[in-house]
Amino acid sequence: QQQVKQSPQSLIVQKGGISIINCAYENTAFDYFPWYQQFPGKGPALLIAIRPDVSEKKEGRFTISFNKSAKQFSLHIMDSQPGDSATYFCAARNFGNEKLTFGTGTRLTIIP
Amino acid sequence: EAGVTQSPTHLIKTRGQQATLRCSPISGHTSVYWYQQALGLGLQFLLWYDEGEERNRGNFPPRFSGRQFPNYSSELNVNALELEDSALYLCASTAGLARTGELFFGEGSRLTVL
Repeated sequence: QQQVKQSPQSLIVQKGGISIINCAYENTAFDYFPWYQQFPGKGPALLIAIRPDVSEKKEGRFTISFNKSAKQFSLHIMDSQPGDSATYFCAARNFGNEKLTFGTGTRLTIIP
Repeated sequence: EAGVTQSPTHLIKTRGQQATLRCSPISGHTSVYWYQQALGLGLQFLLWYDEGEERNRGNFPPRFSGRQFPNYSSELNVNALELEDSALYLCASTAGLARTGELFFGEGSRLTVL
């Protein structure tokens, strides 16, 4: 059962633009929502994370927006750069069993 | 500080054979996770070990098994290989139960089943 739905599957953004990736969940037992970034040939790396008691978290050009009532969260990449081209995974942790469930990933390409 | 290391990098097997993948966590990390990354399916949770015990298991058949050793390294065994087992197998570690969302991944072992 897919518990974290991620969209879009792929995204092309011009350099300097804003990249937006969305995720939705249904399980109210999720208590921690990280985003991971994966470059080709590498394992995923933690990028930024948020807990449901805040609506937004910003780290540099990366911002997570969290809507608890809608059970949705999104990653915004401001001033997108070619070096941001990677696959991004949202995830959610179940506080009951500590399991981290990942979305299916978004392949982001930043073009000049 | 060394990151999570996995071996082998690539592994080619035929249907019905067994595969063994190995993982060494970051020094000081006691939890090890295994994920399967197949094309188009994201990361599917396989197994979680902490302090030598299996803590949780994903929706995979019993022919996927593993263990964690006293030094916290881990191995994943896949028996009776099937074609659909072809995937990148990722190991991750974290500093125990308080950090279960902050995973540090290795670069993976790519298993090809012919």
